[in-house]
Amino acid sequence: GEDVEQSLFLSVREGDSSVINCTYTDSSSTYLYWYKQEPGAGLQLLTYIFSNMDMKQDQRLTVLLNKKDKHLSLRIADTQTGDSAIYFCASGGYNKLIFGAGTRLAVHP
Amino acid sequence: AAGVIQSPRHLIKEKRETATLKCYPIPRHDTVYWYQQGPGQDPQFLISFYEKMQSDKGSIPDRFSAQQFSDYHSELNMSSLELGDSALYFCASSSYESGQDYSGANVLTFGAGSRLTVL
Repeated sequence: GEDVEQSLFLSVREGDSSVINCTYTDSSSTYLYWYKQEPGAGLQLLTYIFSNMDMKQDQRLTVLLNKKDKHLSLRIADTQTGDSAIYFCASGGYNKLIFGAGTRLAVHP
Repeated sequence: AAGVIQSPRHLIKEKRETATLKCYPIPRHDTVYWYQQGPGQDPQFLISFYEKMQSDKGSIPDRFSAQQFSDYHSELNMSSLELGDSALYFCASSSYESGQDYSGANVLTFGAGSRLTVL
């Protein structure tokens, strides 16, 4: 079945860039998504990328997609303490999205 | 803007009891999804409905059932509760006709979740 994998933890210094990586197995996904979850809260859509694109930039966020390797990454420029959260990548279609285990991003001064 | 509303936000039940969670999707959204997120876990897909019909089913136990009503709200019914059912239950909604920005992406908007504790 479909599977999405992520590294579980990332620690960065405030002001540095963060790169969160994800691999997926579902080659039929038309779009791939990044969601953010803060403690005790629901999942908030950050950005998504069409599977025929290599890159998408949205303010401090850059998504890179290597469709051949089924590898997706999220780069956060100038990481701030408010970016501390769990980041989930997701693949899927209209019936459901499958989420990775989430990467916990810790930002320290 | 209206968001996905879930109720109750917190629920405490005993083992073997029954619980019902409710979800009110964003107006004009026709698809509802239920996810279960255990402590420190990723959200696990349970079930989805499109236009009041079940559209996909994931790892939903047989003790659980769900439906989408004519007003598009959805309910998740959980019976014979077990300790392992303690989790955050998220509902999400989307519009099949178009993504949030008409790009075609299936953008799920999540509710704040219902936290179920089984004692």
